[in-house]
Amino acid sequence: QSVLTQPPSVSGPPGQTVTMSCSGSRSNIGTNYVSWYQQLPPAAPRLLMFRNNQRPSGVPDRFSGSKSGTSASLAITGLRPEDEAVYFCAAWSDSLDGSWVFGGGTKLTVL
Amino acid sequence: EVQLVESGGGLVQPGRSLRLSCAASGFSFDDFAMHWVRQAPGKGLEWVSGISWNSGDIGYADSVKGRFIISRDNANNSLYLQMNSLRVEDTALYFCVKDARVAASLGAGWFDPWGQGTLVTVSS
Repeated sequence: QSVLTQPPSVSGPPGQTVTMSCSGSRSNIGTNYVSWYQQLPPAAPRLLMFRNNQRPSGVPDRFSGSKSGTSASLAITGLRPEDEAVYFCAAWSDSLDGSWVFGGGTKLTVL
Repeated sequence: EVQLVESGGGLVQPGRSLRLSCAASGFSFDDFAMHWVRQAPGKGLEWVSGISWNSGDIGYADSVKGRFIISRDNANNSLYLQMNSLRVEDTALYFCVKDARVAASLGAGWFDPWGQGTLVTVSS
């Protein structure tokens, strides 16, 4: 059971906009930045978003991130077939000794 | 170009030990914290351990605390994970991951980039 909660799947046709959520608590998302990672199996994950809403160079502006309270969201506009992947959110948790926590991942299907 | 190349994975019996290595290149290794993140077959990501640039700050997931030891050799641009008392549930692809911020504490950055991973299978 992952500490951060993500919906198992989302889907949409090409050109559509989809949003996926990441829910946590005060000790993780509520206090710290959220980052997002895209994984196209069998490849390794790659950074998609950092500090809630900052895109690394090379990530299209179709991807955007936001955070409010203890939840975060990733939105993808103008869906493309190559966006089909699994998306993970992550945040540092201040609980106990401190640790990184991930969501269980959301599988995006481009219909 | 940043490169992270893991090695040392394999098949091991429960209760035995294994040492993973990560060879880093393309950046100033001693400026960045490093992490191990694992992914069990068909499952999500789990942070295993992290170590600050100077080894002064080290953290472990509760699931491995007391069994795994992370270390680094800045002179040789290498990261290690000593895994003892291995359990079946430790079976996973283990990724070596660079922290994105210079000289940051373990929780202050983000993960970028990731190595391709080395597979650890714990089975009798």
